[in-house]
Amino acid sequence: SYELTQSPSVSVSPGQTVSITCSGHKLEDKYACWYQQRPGQSPLLLIHQHNRRPSGIPERFSGSTSGNTATLTISGTQSMDEADYYCQAWDSSTVVFGGGTRLTVL
Amino acid sequence: QITLKESGPTLVKPTQTLTLTCTCSGFSLTASGMGVGWLRQSPGEAPEWLALIYWDDDRRYSPSLKNRLTITRDTSKNLVVLTVSNVSPLDTGTYYCARGSVLGFHVWGPGTTVSVSS
Repeated sequence: SYELTQSPSVSVSPGQTVSITCSGHKLEDKYACWYQQRPGQSPLLLIHQHNRRPSGIPERFSGSTSGNTATLTISGTQSMDEADYYCQAWDSSTVVFGGGTRLTVL
Repeated sequence: QITLKESGPTLVKPTQTLTLTCTCSGFSLTASGMGVGWLRQSPGEAPEWLALIYWDDDRRYSPSLKNRLTITRDTSKNLVVLTVSNVSPLDTGTYYCARGSVLGFHVWGPGTTVSVSS
């Protein structure tokens, strides 16, 4: 079965740029997307189809994919960005999530 | 405004069938291009996709659970229903419905918490 791998945690200082990565076999062919989940809240779609941002999502969130790796980049990180971030892709009509990365804003 | 809201029992006994309802508003279940999916999440874990029903009634299931899942819809009431048969404590978690497709789920409901215990 298809698997997506994320680092468990990452930290960043306010105002800095942080990248969160997600790896999976030929991920660039599988339309990666990214979700943010704050404690006690439902996931929020940040990026879909590798780099498309839904309306209402701040421009500081961007996505890219190359080869086996998808990257979510947060520019000018704010304290409100502290959350869990999940990547998601689909393979053979099956939706797969990464294990998640906890972002700490120090 | 598009909203979805899950409802169902909070406690289910092992071996029983769990039935969850997703009440959708702000869009039609037959609107082309999107569907409504069900996902669940255990505390501290990533979301897990369960099932998806598209605008054209095409249905997709998680391979690991498809023998226990059934997704249906009532277009007259704009509802999507998920049944999970033969539940066990492993089925405990928060269940979400969400509008989208395999390319991403754009709008999620607030979730409903289900415990499986005797």
